[in-house]
Amino acid sequence: DAKTTQPNSMESNEEEPVHLPCNHSTISGTDYIHWYRQLPSQGPEYVIHGLTSNVNNRMASLAIAEDRKSSTLILHRATLRDAAVYYCILRDGNSGYSTLTFGKGTMLLVSP
Amino acid sequence: NAGVMQNPRHLVRRRGQEARLRCSPMKGHSHVYWYRQLPEEGLKFMVYLQKENIIDESGMPKERFSAEFPKEGPSILRIQQVVRGDSAAYFCASSPGRSYEQYFGPGTRLTVT
Repeated sequence: DAKTTQPNSMESNEEEPVHLPCNHSTISGTDYIHWYRQLPSQGPEYVIHGLTSNVNNRMASLAIAEDRKSSTLILHRATLRDAAVYYCILRDGNSGYSTLTFGKGTMLLVSP
Repeated sequence: NAGVMQNPRHLVRRRGQEARLRCSPMKGHSHVYWYRQLPEEGLKFMVYLQKENIIDESGMPKERFSAEFPKEGPSILRIQQVVRGDSAAYFCASSPGRSYEQYFGPGTRLTVT
């Protein structure tokens, strides 16, 4: 799987939007961009994924750069429950299957 | 629909004992993955199984570790002759097929004394 780069940590205030960046300059044309998060003492949780177009779901939005070398996970209104480590992961859509390769992720701190 | 279930949630073993970790996937999911998270480290893939088959065990230590996913019953990760370095959180995930998003269980925290 291609490598991703994320900031170690970010801070936000409750009810404010949060933009979590991810760089993946070596992404291939068949790599999907996946985001998972891990709340303290819990297992990871799927958040969102996309290939080329921006994506929205009930949890978040994913904005993908036109050249696909970077993406941004957007939490529209952060809550205390969103404090977690967020992982940006590339998965090859051509390989038939691929396991998840977790990096260090971004620890999001949310203040009341 | 119940999520992925893992038991026990906490397991304490003395050095040299065996540890058995169980994972029941979500209903309708026939693909199971095991990951390990060592203290202060990231999650690392261990093994990927479908019913009765090991698809990819490239992340599994060559000795003392084994995994199975029988036709009936939960998937089991077995660690023989545990050592202190095996102390970690072990997470199981399931999916309905290859390349789908994975749903994780709450993990089993193994402590070796």
